[in-house]
Amino acid sequence: EAGVTQFPSHSVIEKGQTVTLRCDPISGHDNLYWYRRVMGKEIKFLLHFVKESKQDESGMPNNRFLAERTGGTYSTLKVQPAELEDSGVYFCASSQTRIWGQGQETQYFGPGTRLLVL
Amino acid sequence: RKEVEQDPGPFNVPEGATVAFNCTYSNSASQSFFWYRQDCRKEPKLLMSVYSSGNEDGRFTAQLNRASQYISLLIRDSKLSDSATYLCVVSQLSGNTGKLIFGQGTTLQVKP
Repeated sequence: EAGVTQFPSHSVIEKGQTVTLRCDPISGHDNLYWYRRVMGKEIKFLLHFVKESKQDESGMPNNRFLAERTGGTYSTLKVQPAELEDSGVYFCASSQTRIWGQGQETQYFGPGTRLLVL
Repeated sequence: RKEVEQDPGPFNVPEGATVAFNCTYSNSASQSFFWYRQDCRKEPKLLMSVYSSGNEDGRFTAQLNRASQYISLLIRDSKLSDSATYLCVVSQLSGNTGKLIFGQGTTLQVKP
């Protein structure tokens, strides 16, 4: 079974440009999460989709970040315009359910997209 | 104050040693607890879930103390391949989201 995939693996852009990150969750996983790790800090939650609906976007830093999951399959995270502090590793994760205790709530992470804003 | 606190280390231990990592969390509403492992420049991978009764998986033992809001991971008979960053992770069910809250990670280096 294919795991969570993310594209691109690396992106180097200049301040003010736009970047779009893509995540393909594990097939059949309704729950899709975005996380980010900036240099020297812990991994932090950005948002959570259930199918195509945003369930929780409390971690989104500001309105320069836009996440979509049209059709409830893959998701994109767009940063526009990018700022220096947006540099970091962006992880996507998916899970079958978000109900704890049923053994299907494990979140599986993708390899991440390393974003560098110059 | 961070929601999940870990000693970042690094912990440098010889092969065969026993090493213990600790973690504290601040939100008493936290409901699920995990240890994830992250290798250099890789994604986090679930190592084990942590239950109040404690649980063991081979050389790894995890314990949870809800009263003290404290989680531990014990690794026995360390192998070179155990070298990695160990992430303490908690989850709170708030508004039906299962978002994970990560600690900064504890780095383990096992030496020959």
